[in-house]
Amino acid sequence: DTAVSQTPKYLVTQMGNDKSIKCEQNLGHDTMYWYKQDSKKFLKIMFSYNNKELIINETVPNRFSPKSPDKAHLNLHINSLELGDSAVYFCASSQSGTSGRNEQFFGPGTRLTVL
Amino acid sequence: DAKTTQPTSMDCAEGRAANLPCNHSTISGNEYVYWYRQIHSQGPQYIIHGLKNNETNEMASLIITEDRKSSTLILPHATLRDTAVYYCIVRAYSSASKIIFGSGTRLSIRP
Repeated sequence: DTAVSQTPKYLVTQMGNDKSIKCEQNLGHDTMYWYKQDSKKFLKIMFSYNNKELIINETVPNRFSPKSPDKAHLNLHINSLELGDSAVYFCASSQSGTSGRNEQFFGPGTRLTVL
Repeated sequence: DAKTTQPTSMDCAEGRAANLPCNHSTISGNEYVYWYRQIHSQGPQYIIHGLKNNETNEMASLIITEDRKSSTLILPHATLRDTAVYYCIVRAYSSASKIIFGSGTRLSIRP
């Protein structure tokens, strides 16, 4: 009964390839996020979707394209992978509104290694 | 940039209270103080949040100064499983508001 799941857990690929990371949440939340944690362990938000609409889009290369087919899924597609894309990518979800803790629930992460 | 400053690292003896400080002198009136932690290689985990009153839940207590410029997270009886990086974050109470993580405090619990 995992709340936020990501696949794959590990991804090793060559420079120039295109890859996707999938995220699913079964919490009934309406908002989902992608974060990147680099080798220096800094966690930075990349995107956020609310009810399948993009609401946060940080300065991220346009090689990164999030796609939200429904409220429970937010996938991340990366074109033309570069060495600097190597990082751990975390998906998260939360429920909007003024009640509750407004906390974000994070997935286990996907470790991407670009060779 | 993160609006908080925290010590880089701390340690605490198992069974004792761990007190983690955080400075947020530029906090706005509508911003809450949130604490998350990240245990090695896992996704961050919510701990507690507050606006101006002290808060307590099953994991920790949060003490916010009257001027709201600083706060302290208290783990009352630290265990080895509390070893993690602890992040203090200020953010508006909205799902559209970003969580901006700083460098956090690496807490080590010694047996």
